[in-house]
Amino acid sequence: GQQVMQIPQYQHVQEGEDFTTYCNSSTTLSNIQWYKQRPGGHPVFLIQLVKSGEVKKQKRLTFQFGEAKKNSSLHITATQTTDVGTYFCAGRSNDYKLSFGAGTTVTVRA
Amino acid sequence: NAGVTQTPKFQVLKTGQSMTLQCAQDMNHEYMSWYRQDPGMGLRLIHYSVGAGITDQGEVPNGYNVSRSTTEDFPLRLLSAAPSQTSVYFCASSYSRGWSGGTDTQYFGPGTRLTVL
Repeated sequence: GQQVMQIPQYQHVQEGEDFTTYCNSSTTLSNIQWYKQRPGGHPVFLIQLVKSGEVKKQKRLTFQFGEAKKNSSLHITATQTTDVGTYFCAGRSNDYKLSFGAGTTVTVRA
Repeated sequence: NAGVTQTPKFQVLKTGQSMTLQCAQDMNHEYMSWYRQDPGMGLRLIHYSVGAGITDQGEVPNGYNVSRSTTEDFPLRLLSAAPSQTSVYFCASSYSRGWSGGTDTQYFGPGTRLTVL
């Protein structure tokens, strides 16, 4: 079945530094979604990518969808303490199943 | 709009007990689903529904039942609780399942933290 792998599992970042989290699917995706979950909270939708090679930006966050529609990345620049939380990718396969990655948990050192 | 609501927020059960986790949404979404979240394993789909009267199994359905008598409500029943069902449970809804080309953003409820002793 479809699997979505996400790395790294943990990311410890110095405030002000950049980092990237990666998401890889075993099958071609129709779209990929990214969610953020703050500690003790619930996942909140960030963005959806649909087109091959698509790049979208939200302030300091840059999301990319691979040319083959099997991988994606989230890059955060100038990390702030408000970026703390777990970031999940979720891939929608062509048979409409949505599979979540295990998430990247981000901590920030001030 | 209240969005997606879940009750209770916390629950402690003894092995063998049964209970129902409640989920409701007021966005007129057709698609609803239940996930469980365990450390290091992301969100795993338990059951889902594409509309009132229609439900189907997800990735980890054993030990759980669902029903969808109305568009708004999607309760999850634990038949005989086991310690392996200790987890955080999230209900989610979306406008579509993606086939219409429309947004299939998942809106999550606040979660129910369940402990089975």
